[in-house]
This record gives sequence, structure tokens and C-alpha cells, in this order.
Amino acid sequence: EVQLVQSGAEVKKPGESLKISCKGSGYSFTTYWIGWVRQMPGKGLEWMGIIYPGDSDTRYSPSFQGQVTMSADKSIFTAYLQWSSLKASDTAMYYCARRLGGTTTPFDYWGQGTLVTVSS
Amino acid sequence: QSALTQPASVSGSPGQSITISCTGTSSDVGGYNYVSWYQQHPGKAPKLMSYEVSNRPSGVSNRFSGSKSGNTASLTISGLQAEDEADYYCSSYRSGSTLEVFGTGTKVTVL
Repeated sequence: EVQLVQSGAEVKKPGESLKISCKGSGYSFTTYWIGWVRQMPGKGLEWMGIIYPGDSDTRYSPSFQGQVTMSADKSIFTAYLQWSSLKASDTAMYYCARRLGGTTTPFDYWGQGTLVTVSS
Repeated sequence: QSALTQPASVSGSPGQSITISCTGTSSDVGGYNYVSWYQQHPGKAPKLMSYEVSNRPSGVSNRFSGSKSGNTASLTISGLQAEDEADYYCSSYRSGSTLEVFGTGTKVTVL
């Protein structure tokens, strides 16, 4: 069974750094793109970018380029999303999701989401 | 990066059919057959309902059907059921640096 399990909720202060994780199981982790999607409170879905764990090829949405860093450790089947300096506006639910196939395919499996709260 | 345009809400009675629209441009919806639809219940992760305009993933009811005409894609839910009440989002490949974009989302209410 394909599963994506995300790390738990985080509460941080503005300016702090953060790295959240997404562990895949039940499939060949290195041969499927993993993406990240933001959902701010009461708002819609926003496509952040995707990473190919096999070689760490990464594609960012221009809206998130330079704001976050995506990475993956294929030895432990885990993808990461990190911030070097959080802002209050980063408060949101963050989902990881697996691509069905290539870069144009949809997200077929989703993690349960990680709630990030940034508040002073 | 501008989102695809969806109606904020659509409603229908049990058993009826409803259609949710998703309007983009020739750089996304109109130019490629890479339109997907997701269902999201409150507090839950999204679920893929349709992809490449009209393909249904295994396990998704055939009451859900996708289509496209020009720059507008549509998701039709037939035989509306109470469990279909949720938010629905379209997404599309977009040429250029954006790669993919979601729609604004539609809240479906079963009356």
C-alpha cells in the first residue's frame, strides 16, 4: 500500500528555521516525483513545486522559488520542505503528494498534511 | 501566478447532476490535456478524482466525469449524493516556469 506520512504539527516564531518531512512507503520512492502543496487557513490549494528523489531534480513554482527549499534523502525514503527564516504568512497546512508519473501527471497519493503555525 | 477560475459554490439536490467549471487560458487548460480534479473534505487531504481531462483513477465512482472545451474544463457529478459535499479543485499544466496551477476551488453543497 502506497503511503506518505508527514511529520507532526509545528509552532514556530518568526525568523526561526524549520524542516518538515514526508516519508514514502509501499512503492519505489526514487522513481516518482514528490510535490508540495500549501493551503493557507480557509484558502485554496497552491502548487509549490516538485522533486525527483532519484537525482534531486527540483522544479519550483516562481511564487515559492527562493522562499523554501525542497530536498530528499533517498536512503531513508524521505522528502523535506524547509524554511531558513519563517514569516507569519507561512502559517498554513502543507501537504506532500506523489506524482502519478512524469512532471505533467497529477498527484495520486497525498500525505496527511503538516500544520505549520508561525506566531510571535 | 494567477489561479484558474472556478465558481465559488455550486449546489444541487440528491440525485441531480451538477457541473463545475474551470477556466484558464491557451497556456494551460486550452493548450494541453493535463487537467486534473481533486476532492477535499473538511480537514482531509485532497483526493484525485479525474486526470488528463477525462481519465478516472481506479476506485473513483463513474458518477464523476471530466471534459474540456477550449479554455474551460468541467467536472460533472451525476446522481449527486450527500458524501459528494466537499471542496473541488481543478489543476492544469501551464507552459513556462510555473509548470502547474490549481483552480480557485468550488464548494459543492448537497441540498
